Amino acid sequence: NAGVMQNPRHLVRRRGQEARLRCSPMKGHSHVYWYRQLPEEGLKFMVYLQKENIIDESGMPKERFSAEFPKEGPSILRIQQVVRGDSAAYFCASSLTDTNEKLFFGSGTQLSVL
Amino acid sequence: KNEVEQSPQNLTAQEGEFITINCSYSVGISALHWLQQHPGGGIVSLFMLSSGKKKHGRLIATINIQEKHSSLHITASHPRDSAVYICAVRQAAGNKLTFGGGTRVLVKP
Repeated sequence: NAGVMQNPRHLVRRRGQEARLRCSPMKGHSHVYWYRQLPEEGLKFMVYLQKENIIDESGMPKERFSAEFPKEGPSILRIQQVVRGDSAAYFCASSLTDTNEKLFFGSGTQLSVL
Repeated sequence: KNEVEQSPQNLTAQEGEFITINCSYSVGISALHWLQQHPGGGIVSLFMLSSGKKKHGRLIATINIQEKHSSLHITASHPRDSAVYICAVRQAAGNKLTFGGGTRVLVKP
């Protein structure tokens, strides 16, 4: 049973380009969370999704950032027109239900904006 | 003031020593997580607690809901325990986690 898979592991973009980060949750998990870890800072919640629904996006910047979790396929975190301040590690986690459940984390995507 | 505070920020121990990391929070919670982040960056969930105490191998986690405080203990520490340990709380309302700043632990042989 594969764990949470994130790809790519490393992504380099120039300012103004788009970044697409993918997360495949553990098999059977329908709840996905995205977190961001800025350099030398702690983890911060971005968005919580269930299949085809955004449940809580209160941690996600209103501009340029969007997330989806379609019925089929991985969850996608999309950052348009990236800026240097978007450089960070982006982690995805999944859980089986939305109640108090253990979270399983992916290995993260390190985004570097040149 | 952060909603989740960890102490110490950094900790160095000799192999075999007993290590304690503390986490205090200021909000009502439904659960508290202890996470381990290795130098390579990957994050592993160690414990999820809503009351009492849990033990897994050399790791012990406790929580006192009334005092809004949790501790993570590492017994007989080993260099492979060197990592950043992160406390995260799930607030009573909502699904998102709020994270502490982490405790960087270095265990020397």
